[in-house]
Amino acid sequence: AAGVIQSPRHLIKEKRETATLKCYPIPRHDTVYWYQQGPGQDPQFLISFYEKMQSDKGSIPDRFSAQQFSDYHSELNMSSLELGDSALYFCASSLVGTATTDTQYFGPGTRLTVL
Amino acid sequence: QKEVEQDPGPLSVPEGAIVSLNCTYSNSAFQYFMWYRQYSRKGPELLMYTYSSGNKEDGRFTAQVDKSSKYISLFIRDSQPSDSATYLCAMSAPNTGNQFYFGTGTSLTVIP
Repeated sequence: AAGVIQSPRHLIKEKRETATLKCYPIPRHDTVYWYQQGPGQDPQFLISFYEKMQSDKGSIPDRFSAQQFSDYHSELNMSSLELGDSALYFCASSLVGTATTDTQYFGPGTRLTVL
Repeated sequence: QKEVEQDPGPLSVPEGAIVSLNCTYSNSAFQYFMWYRQYSRKGPELLMYTYSSGNKEDGRFTAQVDKSSKYISLFIRDSQPSDSATYLCAMSAPNTGNQFYFGTGTSLTVIP
């Protein structure tokens, strides 16, 4: 079965640079979530989109923005990168509104390293 | 205080042992309870999904939810070395836009 696809898998950037992370949800899933996981930490919710509209916002810095496109893929844009932004960034997708499927399936993550 | 508390371990058990992993939470509105398994440098993989209270069994895995005590458990029977991973509990409430609240994860090692 198709899973959540994230690209790139690894990304190295310098401080103050910009990064764009992409997420392709499971086919027919209408909701995308972004999480940031630091070393030894649990995933921290950043932002989510349902049907291309922002549905919830967590601890996402103002330097970050995201959107969901008409094909339901999502991009997380990160500007003015800081050393503390180095982390694993996970995307998850779900099909909202169906009791048995209303849960999140995670992608493999993008490992961002800021030097 | 975090919404979800989970003992980070590490937990080390011999092969074949029964493993008990637990989380407590403070938000009584949580209705959906999930357990994820995460191998090193991989994304969390959904193991079990439970709605409201009760037990759910899937092969060697059993998930229990006790909403009166705000306590959830994952039991692994006949543990295998391949079960060695970090186990994360997660939960959500209908009024939180499906935002997931994670525990910090418990690191499990099953020794052959």
